[in-house]
Amino acid sequence: AQKITQTQPGMFVQEKEAVTLDCTYDTSDPSYGLFWYKQPSSGEMIFLIYQGSYDQQNATEGRYSLNFQKARKSANLVISASQLGDSAMYFCAMRVRDALNFGKGTSLLVTP
Amino acid sequence: NAGVTQTPKFQVLKTGQSMTLQCAQDMNHEYMSWYRQDPGMGLRLIHYSVGAGITDQGEVPNGYNVSRSTTEDFPLRLLSAAPSQTSVYFCASSSNAVEQYFGPGTRLTVT
Repeated sequence: AQKITQTQPGMFVQEKEAVTLDCTYDTSDPSYGLFWYKQPSSGEMIFLIYQGSYDQQNATEGRYSLNFQKARKSANLVISASQLGDSAMYFCAMRVRDALNFGKGTSLLVTP
Repeated sequence: NAGVTQTPKFQVLKTGQSMTLQCAQDMNHEYMSWYRQDPGMGLRLIHYSVGAGITDQGEVPNGYNVSRSTTEDFPLRLLSAAPSQTSVYFCASSSNAVEQYFGPGTRLTVT
């Protein structure tokens, strides 16, 4: 069975600081994809970043980077230079074959 | 290009009623899926489809049926609504193994 774990229910960060949101996963399949999504209070799901299991380099998308440590089965999201608009729920997800499974999420609050 | 659309946005049902949540996409995506989101539970996969005529069960399929007769549409049927099915339902589509496009969600309350 595939499992995604996000151990931080809530996080605080000050504006302009960097923050790391943790995600660990468990799968025996060698081919998988890891995703991060943002869900603001308005409710929509916004795709942030993707990392394939065979990708050699860590994925980056603007202020978002994914710290992929395959041996530790972790895929942490790093947000640099936090902004007030980054306050939201963040979900880690893993796709194995055709099923995408999500973690329970981390609520991030960015303070001035 | 409307992306992924879901109807209705809100719905209230009585226990035992049946209904269909509609999902459509105009991006010619092969992969479509349904999730439910409950407080503190994240999103859980109900059913998914990798193409017209092909569907499979996700993590929480009980009480729901799906079919995929066209590439564009992927309706989710609640056979006999129960209060435990009160949730927000998201439909998503994808053309590859990377980005999934989510619909705006349907907020369902079963009394």
